Amino acid sequence: TQLLEQSPQFLSIQEGENLTVYCNSSSVFSSLQWYRQEPGEGPVLLVTVVTGGEVKKLKRLTFQFGDARKDSSLHITAAQPGDTGLYLCAGPRGYQKVTFGTGTKLQVIP
Amino acid sequence: DTEVTQTPKHLVMGMTNKKSLKCEQHMGHRAMYWYKQKAKKPPELMFVYSYEKLSINESVPSRFSPECPNSSLLNLHLHALQPEDSALYLCASSQGGLSNQPQHFGDGTRLSIL
Repeated sequence: TQLLEQSPQFLSIQEGENLTVYCNSSSVFSSLQWYRQEPGEGPVLLVTVVTGGEVKKLKRLTFQFGDARKDSSLHITAAQPGDTGLYLCAGPRGYQKVTFGTGTKLQVIP
Repeated sequence: DTEVTQTPKHLVMGMTNKKSLKCEQHMGHRAMYWYKQKAKKPPELMFVYSYEKLSINESVPSRFSPECPNSSLLNLHLHALQPEDSALYLCASSQGGLSNQPQHFGDGTRLSIL
């Protein structure tokens, strides 16, 4: 079974602080995706990382795929209240299924 | 605005009721999904439709019955649900249904079983 463990599970920080969310597995993934789910909405895709060691930036968000393609991280610089939400990593599981990570609930306090 | 539309947004029903959840997408995607999500947990896959045919059923109880009338529509028929079925039900679509393709989610139907 391909499991994706995220840490931390919960994170409450002040506006302007930096944070990192981790997504770890004992299995190799061909790619990993990161989604953000805001309260009352469905998950929205933020990024897909494909190549080991790859780094992608999306404004204040930096995503990294581990060299061995078993882990990924999401770093947020100068967090804003609009960053509040549930962050989910996800990886392919077989032909048509996706494994979602355990989730990190982020609260950014103004 | 989401490109996957789910109705209704909220649904309260008794255990003996029959109701249906609806999902629509007009992105030309050929795969559609139903997920169940409990509070603060990741979505759990229920069903996958690929090219209008059911391709995956994750051992979902028969009180949940999916239907795909055409490539743009996906329904989930509900009958004799249990209180533990209360959750957010998410619909998603993807271009071809391959697991490495991004999925586009609706905002969900929040279901409460009395």
